[in-house]
Amino acid sequence: AQKVTQAQTEISVVEKEDVTLDCVYETRDTTYYLFWYKQPPSGELVFLIRRNSFDEQNEISGRYSWNFQKSTSSFNFTITASQVVDSAVYFCALSVVGAQKLVFGQGTRLTINP
Amino acid sequence: GAGVSQSPSNKVTEKGKDVELRCDPISGHTALYWYRQRLGQGLEFLIYFQGNSAPDKSGLPSDRFSAERTGESVSTLTIQRTQQEDSAVYLCASSLSRNQPQHFGDGTRLSIL
Repeated sequence: AQKVTQAQTEISVVEKEDVTLDCVYETRDTTYYLFWYKQPPSGELVFLIRRNSFDEQNEISGRYSWNFQKSTSSFNFTITASQVVDSAVYFCALSVVGAQKLVFGQGTRLTINP
Repeated sequence: GAGVSQSPSNKVTEKGKDVELRCDPISGHTALYWYRQRLGQGLEFLIYFQGNSAPDKSGLPSDRFSAERTGESVSTLTIQRTQQEDSAVYLCASSLSRNQPQHFGDGTRLSIL
């Protein structure tokens, strides 16, 4: 069985601070995919990134960066110089080949205060 | 292009009634998923359709829940004899094929009185 744990239920920071959202996953499969989604107050889920288990390169997209470490089964997400518009619930998710469903973590509610 | 479309956006009904929720996936997407999100919780997988293959129903919580999909188009999720614990946002997603990023609709907020 697969499991995703986002230990941080809520995070609150002041604008322009850097913030890291933690994600730890469990699976016995060797081939799997990891995802991050953003759910702003309006409710729609927005896809941010997909990573496959064979690619441990870190990725940077503007102010967003992701750190994938198989040794610790973690896929952490960092927002640099946070902005109020980054306020949302962020979900980490996992899927394995052969079972197409996404297994979601419980989400981290991020609040960026002006 | 159009995203995933769900209807209705909100549904309020009395306990014991049947409800039907609709999802229009992105055109060309062969995979379609239904999830449930209870208040303040993560998403729970319900069911997955891929082309003409048998659907993965492993997430359906009871036999009151069922879903259908016609080919690679519209899907309906039906909940019979609704109960208060069915209150949640029901989200539909589609993807180009398996293991591709899933794109979500805005969901149907279901409230059972």
